[in-house]
Amino acid sequence: GAGVSQSPSNKVTEKGKDVELRCDPISGHTALYWYRQSLGQGLEFLIYFQGNSAPDKSGLPSDRFSAERTGGSVSTLTIQRTQQEDSAVYLCAEESGSGTGELFFGEGSRLTVL
Amino acid sequence: GESVGLHLPTLSVQEGDNSIINCAYSNSASDYFIWYKQESGKGPQFIIDIRSNMDKRQGQRVTVLLNKTVKHLSLQIAATQPGDSAVYFCAENSGGSNYKLTFGKGTLLTVNP
Repeated sequence: GAGVSQSPSNKVTEKGKDVELRCDPISGHTALYWYRQSLGQGLEFLIYFQGNSAPDKSGLPSDRFSAERTGGSVSTLTIQRTQQEDSAVYLCAEESGSGTGELFFGEGSRLTVL
Repeated sequence: GESVGLHLPTLSVQEGDNSIINCAYSNSASDYFIWYKQESGKGPQFIIDIRSNMDKRQGQRVTVLLNKTVKHLSLQIAATQPGDSAVYFCAENSGGSNYKLTFGKGTLLTVNP
């Protein structure tokens, strides 16, 4: 992608623990997205940030999930009291700015909940 | 609920052959469709998009066809190369906005040398 950096690349945690995933969209575009990809599945929309507007949180699967975006750049996705079904790859993306649906994705954070 | 699905979960072709990956969508309100390619261990990469006022769009070695009558989308890859081996996803803007894409489950394309 166009410099979207995510960390950690891999995270193994125990059920019930909280985890924080980070996205750093280097290009600085105003629109940032989080998607989740479970094994062998397509991408599931989680949340969308656009400038100073209220984020669209309609895709968050439960109130254990939350996300923030600070300073219009770095975003963190927090999962509280993780469950095994939270195991997935969490992908961050930013818009290309081309006016199309082209999103630049990071390589994702693979979360495994034991 | 509305969803995007794929006819073939796997596709194996010989190098140099043409590949066709199919996708069915069910949301008649969707007016924008995109194909993404995802290589192992990487995030999806944009390939090509098409709006509902078109039925065909061509890129470099790729063509997307849209049949709104039967709600069908296809991606054609000409002269398939080993580097084309990946999972291909179709996506639609069923949320009415380009950003809130609904993705299908993907088709794994394997190119045999």
